[in-house]
Amino acid sequence: QKEVEQDPGPLSVPEGAIVSLNCTYSNSAFQYFMWYRQYSRKGPELLMYTYSSGNKEDGRFTAQVDKSSKYISLFIRDSQPSDSATYLCAMSAGGGNKLTFGTGTQLKVEL
Amino acid sequence: GAVVSQHPSWVICKSGTSVKIECRSLDFQATTMFWYRQFPKQSLMLMATSNEGSKATYEQGVEKDKFLINHASLTLSTLTVTSAHPEDSSFYICSARGTSGRLGADTQYFGPGTRLTVL
Repeated sequence: QKEVEQDPGPLSVPEGAIVSLNCTYSNSAFQYFMWYRQYSRKGPELLMYTYSSGNKEDGRFTAQVDKSSKYISLFIRDSQPSDSATYLCAMSAGGGNKLTFGTGTQLKVEL
Repeated sequence: GAVVSQHPSWVICKSGTSVKIECRSLDFQATTMFWYRQFPKQSLMLMATSNEGSKATYEQGVEKDKFLINHASLTLSTLTVTSAHPEDSSFYICSARGTSGRLGADTQYFGPGTRLTVL
């Protein structure tokens, strides 16, 4: 079993839809949770950074962390074609430890 | 803030030559940088952790003599692929670890990547 599980998709939604992306993990030591967006042939771009459980909102993006269930989510409201990309979850136990990535979910927002 | 650059963005070289890739943190100091490679439609694979002023720590299975890493300053790390072969063709991405506060102490900011093609 992988430390971080993420459905690779592809996930196709119509423009304006609410998108839900999820990751589960097995390591209870993880405390820092991130979501990255990666366009084709580009480096990952940090979208959301969360410490411990709870919600964090930034514009159209909301990140949720449920440590009791070892489950994190990223919601995208009013999705746009420009949101079409691969979304990677990543997490760390802190203390400068390396990140553990999910495999990424490919999202396509169609007109 | 938290901008990381990489140079070159793409490179084509002949088999047997060496290629150097630079990774720079432009607006913050990075004591720790990371090097990844990524194959098409796959996630990032960590190759090594680079700490300023000390030797890099390589992940299992990564040849340290083939992938030379130097982190000579707080804003620059370099990866040299020595005696490159076609199987080294890949997308190489660096990242820099954020410091405490606004940038987040345990997150990483990525460069745009370097596409290496070895003929």
